[in-house]
Parts: sequence; C-alpha cells; structure tokens
Amino acid sequence: DQQVKQNSPSLSVQEGRISILNCDYTNSMFDYFLWYKKYPAEGPTFLISISSIKDKNEDGRFTVFLNKSAKHLSLHIVPSQPGDSAVYFCAAIGSSGTYKYIFGTGTRLKVLA
Amino acid sequence: GAGVSQSPSNKVTEKGKDVELRCDPISGHTALYWYRQSLGQGLEFLIYFQGNSAPDKSGLPSDRFSAERTGGSVSTLTIQRTQQEDSAVYLCASSLGVVRGLGETQYFGPGTRLLVL
Repeated sequence: DQQVKQNSPSLSVQEGRISILNCDYTNSMFDYFLWYKKYPAEGPTFLISISSIKDKNEDGRFTVFLNKSAKHLSLHIVPSQPGDSAVYFCAAIGSSGTYKYIFGTGTRLKVLA
Repeated sequence: GAGVSQSPSNKVTEKGKDVELRCDPISGHTALYWYRQSLGQGLEFLIYFQGNSAPDKSGLPSDRFSAERTGGSVSTLTIQRTQQEDSAVYLCASSLGVVRGLGETQYFGPGTRLLVL
C-alpha cells in the first residue's frame, strides 16, 4: 500500500519556466511533509518542508503548497534552472510520535537549457 | 566533512554471502535511519534507532536483515545469506532526534550500492 504517491516518474521543463512536482498521500494522520532532492550517486538532501497547519511555505525559488482536503502537495520551482535537474522525493510523517518517514517513488526533473 | 558517511560505497557479493554496511551519523545526532532504494523504487524504510535502541524495526524485510548501533553513534546493517533481490542502494540518515514526531530534517549519507550476483 503506497501511502505517498508521486504519479509522474519524470518531468521536463524549459529553463526559466515553472516546474511543478506533485505528491498525493492517503493517510490523513500525516501532518508534516518534506521534499528532498537527489543527485545521482549522492544521498537525498532536504529542500523544504511544510506543516499541516499551513497551506504554503516558501523558500527562495521553492514553494510547497499543501491541500489537506485533497491530500495533495506540490513543489513549485520558479524559475527553473539546469542545476535543478535531479530526482525529487516527497515524504510524510504522522503526529503519533513515530519517526517512520514514508517516501514517494520520486519524480525525475530535467530542466532544459 | 561533518556529514553522514557510509562504507563501503560499493559492494559486490555472491548470493549466499553475508554483508555488513556501516553508517557514521553526524556527531550529536541521536536518531539514525536505514532505508533502501531498489531500482526504480522510492526509499523504503528499514529501521530507526533512537540512541542505541531500535523502537521501530518494522521495515526489515526478513530475518536475514539485522542492524545495531553502538555508543549512540556508528550503526551497522547486516544482511545474511544475501539474495539477488537484496541488490539496492542502502541509505543511512541521521537527525537530531529531540523533536519527536515533528518531522525533523534527516541528513542522508551517499549510500552503499549493493550488488548480489
């Protein structure tokens, strides 16, 4: 049972345009969400997070939106740069005190110069 | 550097052999996690340590997998009698571990690429 889903395995975007990466979840107990970026042969690195008490969090070119009623979050990158080309994972965790992060399968973003 | 380190970076082994993977977390991080990523898959949670104890072992795929952590620092993940389906990238992450349940940022190591022939 895939509790966190990234239905688009890949995405190509022109440099300077907006990249929108989507993530859906099924467990209503999740209340904290994170996005990680992964380059080949490296471990994932933390990008941005959002708590369920918010619907938007912004950090420079990166903005995460959370729609709790739809159990959907998205990561917007504006403007996209070639260095943003990587695999992006969303992750979720619940409020039960567990440390069990549930990760999606990732979306490979390619920003074309 | 002061990041999470893992060794070996690559490991090729024969089916049936045992392997041991090592993780050195960031100094002072009390929480440590093991994940694996099989080809084309997301990160699969294996086990979590808080200090030296493992309150959540639910992700270990079989009893061939075990992990320990000593001194609240280094952790080893051991796979006994390896099978070809164990081939994956094994990732370790650590976090401060003091803010329970609020999604602390995890810092990942570069991973160990395991290939079982």
